[in-house]
Amino acid sequence: EDQVTQSPEALRLQEGESSSLNCSYTVSGLRGLFWYRQDPGKGPEFLFTLYSAGEEKEKERLKATLTKKESFLHITAPKPEDSATYLCAFGSSNTGKLIFGQGTTLQVKP
Amino acid sequence: DTAVSQTPKYLVTQMGNDKSIKCEQNLGHDTMYWYKQDSKKFLKIMFSYNNKELIINETVPNRFSPKSPDKAHLNLHINSLELGDSAVYFCASSPRGLTEAFFGQGTRLTVV
Repeated sequence: EDQVTQSPEALRLQEGESSSLNCSYTVSGLRGLFWYRQDPGKGPEFLFTLYSAGEEKEKERLKATLTKKESFLHITAPKPEDSATYLCAFGSSNTGKLIFGQGTTLQVKP
Repeated sequence: DTAVSQTPKYLVTQMGNDKSIKCEQNLGHDTMYWYKQDSKKFLKIMFSYNNKELIINETVPNRFSPKSPDKAHLNLHINSLELGDSAVYFCASSPRGLTEAFFGQGTRLTVV
């Protein structure tokens, strides 16, 4: 069964303290790994798409990487405004669906 | 300009009522979706339409009926609302299936 798991569920960092969020998946027919940011009371905001193992993408303090089993979202020197829930999702070519993980809630304290 | 807009943002209604949520996208995308986000923030797909054609219909009660009058609009009608229907419902669109999806701001439905 297609499945995606994110860890940790919650992460508290001090401003400037770099860390990584994990998204592990088991899927037959991976067609894209997607990262989103969701602020309270808002819809998920698209960040990155990764399609193949070894691919990396960056945006400001965020960098997403992909292996055959998992994806990481690295946050370098985070700021309080990076506080949000980060969701990953994969596209399953078998089912045609985007399957979401449960998210990692990040809090960055000044 | 709002890319994916859905209305209303908040909806409070009594059990047994029928309600609709409307969604419009101005991105020119071919595919639109309805997702449900529960209290644990888990996003689960309900329906997917491609060019007005239903392509994904998850196991949701028959009380939920999507309608796509054209490829820019996807509405969700819910009959005989139940307490367990309380959640946040998100509309989204993507250029085509299994590409990045862009979400609306959500409709928080509360059934009392």
